[in-house]
Amino acid sequence: GQSLEQPSEVTAVEGAIVQINCTYQTSGFYGLSWYQQHDGGAPTFLSYNALDGLEETGRFSSFLSRSDSYGYLLLQELQMKDSASYFCALRRDSNYQLIWGAGTKLIIKP
Amino acid sequence: DVKVTQSSRYLVKRTGEKVFLECVQDMDHENMFWYRQDPGLGLRLIYFSYDVKMKEKGDIPEGYSVSREKKERFSLILESASTNQTSMYLCASSFRGTANSPLHFGNGTRLTVT
Repeated sequence: GQSLEQPSEVTAVEGAIVQINCTYQTSGFYGLSWYQQHDGGAPTFLSYNALDGLEETGRFSSFLSRSDSYGYLLLQELQMKDSASYFCALRRDSNYQLIWGAGTKLIIKP
Repeated sequence: DVKVTQSSRYLVKRTGEKVFLECVQDMDHENMFWYRQDPGLGLRLIYFSYDVKMKEKGDIPEGYSVSREKKERFSLILESASTNQTSMYLCASSFRGTANSPLHFGNGTRLTVT
């Protein structure tokens, strides 16, 4: 089957760095995406890794290792507004559908 | 910016009613999707459409149907609502051109079936 595993909740301190992991079991996919969703809001796209390695976008970075079936989202200089749920999602290899993780709730403390 | 608009933010319906959820996007995207989101389960795909009048079943299509008569509009229909269809429903759209085309979501419709 195809599945993605993420921690259900992560807690960090304002100004710190946090890593949200995503492990998967699937064969053949285009890449790994990350989305952010604030409570009551719509998911919004953060990043996409088609190739192994690190992609950096401002305070957020995302990493993919196909050989390890693993990826992560790294958030630096945490701000209170980063409190949200973060979802990893795999794009399947045959169409435009995504397989989604259950999401990680990031709690940031002052 | 892409705008995806869902017709209702909250809906309360009775068991057995026929329910229509409407979604409109303004960026000429080919792909449109309907998801439901439940706590601890992430987003599950109900149906998607890659062109007008085209539709494909997602992971949980049972009890649902869809309609795409115009490129900008994608409707989700619950033929006979049941309490287990109480959920948050999210519509999304994307450009079909590349594999990394991100999804743009509407704000969701929280449906309660009593």
